[in-house]
Amino acid sequence: SQELEQSPQSLIVQEGKNLTINCTSSKTLYGLYWYKQKYGEGLIFLMMLQKGGEEKSHEKITAKLDEKKQQSSLHITASQPSHAGIYLCGADGIRGSTLGRLYFGRGTQLTVWP
Amino acid sequence: GAGVSQSPSNKVTEKGKDVELRCDPISGHTALYWYRQRLGQGLEFLIYFQGNSAPDKSGLPSDRFSAERTGESVSTLTIQRTQQEDSAVYLCASSRRETQYFGPGTRLLVL
Repeated sequence: SQELEQSPQSLIVQEGKNLTINCTSSKTLYGLYWYKQKYGEGLIFLMMLQKGGEEKSHEKITAKLDEKKQQSSLHITASQPSHAGIYLCGADGIRGSTLGRLYFGRGTQLTVWP
Repeated sequence: GAGVSQSPSNKVTEKGKDVELRCDPISGHTALYWYRQRLGQGLEFLIYFQGNSAPDKSGLPSDRFSAERTGESVSTLTIQRTQQEDSAVYLCASSRRETQYFGPGTRLLVL
């Protein structure tokens, strides 16, 4: 069964537009990771959030973790074609047992057209 | 420094053959992970090595799958008697602390 739900599944935006991707868990998240994947490539680490209410930014990408630590959002400001790819959220500790392994959402496919 | 590397990049094999996939983690990373990504699906955890501890094999889908790691270096994932449903991208990651850094993956196609 799917541990993390991502929405939307796909997103097509015009260059310059802002967008938001969501990642939701039914259980408390102990560590939430955002990755980006381009076709044929591995996952590129973007950001990690651990504390409720935490927010981190890198260039035009901002990630937030809600106070209850069950939902995270990834916001891209003034999108560019270079932002295109699949965005994946991953989390550890959902089942509170095995350390190390991450559980992933199915990803959000982002297309940015000029 | 160098990232996680995987070889081969692509592998095409016939059903029933054995395949071996290799992962070179980032130097100094004590933890190493294997995941599988099948078309249209999310990443599935396969196995996790942490230092000299017994590996967490709970994600391996069948006894045809096995993995080894020598110390804190190279790992190999072996799939015996491959089946068409084994076709996927196999991703390796390593970490020193919480964050996992991924390699480019090996695309396996079983005909």
